[in-house]
Formats: sequence, C-alpha cells, structure tokens
Amino acid sequence: EDQVTQSPEALRLQEGESSSLNCSYTVSGLRGLFWYRQDPGKGPEFLFTLYSAGEEKEKERLKATLTKKESFLHITAPKPEDSATYLCAAPVSSGSARQLTFGSGTQLTVLP
Amino acid sequence: DSGVTQTPKHLITATGQRVTLRCSPRSGDLSVYWYQQSLDQGLQFLIQYYNGEERAKGNILERFSAQQFPDLHSELNLSSLELGDSALYFCASSMYGEVKNTGELFFGEGSRLTVL
Repeated sequence: EDQVTQSPEALRLQEGESSSLNCSYTVSGLRGLFWYRQDPGKGPEFLFTLYSAGEEKEKERLKATLTKKESFLHITAPKPEDSATYLCAAPVSSGSARQLTFGSGTQLTVLP
Repeated sequence: DSGVTQTPKHLITATGQRVTLRCSPRSGDLSVYWYQQSLDQGLQFLIQYYNGEERAKGNILERFSAQQFPDLHSELNLSSLELGDSALYFCASSMYGEVKNTGELFFGEGSRLTVL
C-alpha cells in the first residue's frame, strides 16, 4: 500500500537551533514529493516539489532533499515565524488520476 | 493569498442536518479537490472534479456529494451529519487533471464545520 509517513510528530527547537524533519514514502513509481507548510486554521501552502533522488531545493532557511526512500526538510537557524506544521505529500494513483496523499505532519515550534 | 475562496469560514449545525460548502478555484484552474482534515485523521482526499466532470474519488462517504458547475466553482454537500463529521474542509485547485510534479495544488483557507 502506498504510504507517506512523517517523523517526528512534534518538534520544539530554540531559535537558531537547526534540525531536520523526515518524510519516508512507499509509493510505487514516485512522481514527485511535495512539501507544504500549514499555519493553524489555514490551508496548506506549497513549499517545494522534488522529483528525483539527489535533488535539493532551498527557500530561505528551508532546504528539502530527496533520496529513493525518504525526503528531509532541513531547517537552518530557525526563527519563531517558522513555527507551523510541515506536511509532505506524494501523488498516489486513485482510479484514473493521481491524488496527493499527505503524511500526518510534523508540528514545529520554534521558541524565542 | 492562494486565490482559492471558500465559504462559509465557520459553520455550526446539529446532527442530522445538511450543509453545503462552496469553493471558487483560482482563475484559470480547471481542477477542484476537496479534502477533509480532522485531528485524528490528518488531511484526507475526498473527491476531485476536472472541468465539470468527476475525476477521482477518495474516502468520501455516501452521505457526502459534490459537483462542479460550468463557471468551475464547486460545492460539497454533507447530509445526515454526525458528530464525527466535525472537521476542517479544504478545497484546492490546480490547472491540471491530475497531480504532476510541476503542478502543485493551491489550497483555500478552509471551512470549519462543527456538528453538535
């Protein structure tokens, strides 16, 4: 069964303390791995798409990487405004079309 | 602002009732996706419409139905509501008929449904 699993469920960091979030997937014929950020009470906001193993993408303090089995979201010197839930997702076949299947997310809290 | 508009933002109703949630996609987007997000289930795909036609179904209950109109806005109808239907319902849109590596989904801010 195609699955997307994220860890840890929650992470508390001090401001400036770098860390990584993990997304492991078992999706046959992976066609992209997506990262989203979700603030409380808001809709998910797109961050990155990674398509092939070895690919990396960066945006401000965030860098996403992809291997054949997992993706990491590295957060360098985080700030309190980086506090959010980070979701990863992969397209999974659903009938005639692929749908984004989301992991359960990592809730990141960055303390000042 | 993603460009996807959802109404109402909040809705409180009683068990057994019926509600309609509305979504207007981004200008130019042909696909509308509906997702349900609850605390214990995460973000679950319900159904997708592409240019007025149902494209894919996920874990959508028979009590729920949706449609996409000629102007591309979509409505999600929830009937015979139960306590467990309380959740955030998100609409997302994209220009494609299926998820592509270059075709991210753009999400609205959601409709929070509370069933008492």
